[in-house]
Amino acid sequence: DAMVIQNPRYQVTQFGKPVTLSCSQTLNHNVMYWYQQKSSQAPKLLFHYYDKDFNNEADTPDNFQSRRPNTSFCFLDIRSPGLGDAAMYLCATSSPRGGWDSEQFFGPGTRLTVL
Amino acid sequence: DAKTTQPTSMDCAEGRAANLPCNHSTISGNEYVYWYRQIHSQGPQYIIHGLKNNETNEMASLIITEDRKSSTLILPHATLRDTAVYYCIVRVAQGGSEKLVFGKGTKLTVNP
Repeated sequence: DAMVIQNPRYQVTQFGKPVTLSCSQTLNHNVMYWYQQKSSQAPKLLFHYYDKDFNNEADTPDNFQSRRPNTSFCFLDIRSPGLGDAAMYLCATSSPRGGWDSEQFFGPGTRLTVL
Repeated sequence: DAKTTQPTSMDCAEGRAANLPCNHSTISGNEYVYWYRQIHSQGPQYIIHGLKNNETNEMASLIITEDRKSSTLILPHATLRDTAVYYCIVRVAQGGSEKLVFGKGTKLTVNP
């Protein structure tokens, strides 16, 4: 089945140690998103790629970076994780070419713990 | 900021209809209303969306008022698996790709 895959599902890192989360999709969607969801809060958009064009949200800290080497893969890099970055990180995709009102498909998320 | 307001929590008996309200009084004419749900520790799942007319699919029905300032998501026969946080979202267009701004959502608990 076509889907959005996130690896790993659980990631533990140390304070200040760079970490990379990965997302892949078999939907061939041209838009990929990264959301951060802290405990008991709603998901919050960090940034998204429209094809190769990167779109950062104004309040996303510089500590968060992203790479999209091809259509299928997108990475979230946290350069120096702090305790406040512990959260669930959600990847999503959509295909506006399929229609202006197309839905987003979410992966299962990666839960990041910072020690 | 989210453009929607929802009750914090609701309860529903299994097998009964669950009616989840949402207010979006500042919605623009070309903005859609989307509903997603998030079961514990999973990614959000798309349910349904609409612009003006009422919509129905295999999961739910969406009733949008004529003035578009509010809507109701209806799960016709709620099951225990429908226990989740339900998000009502007004989609903000952003340069050809959609941007979802999640509000706090409604935690629906379906009771046996």
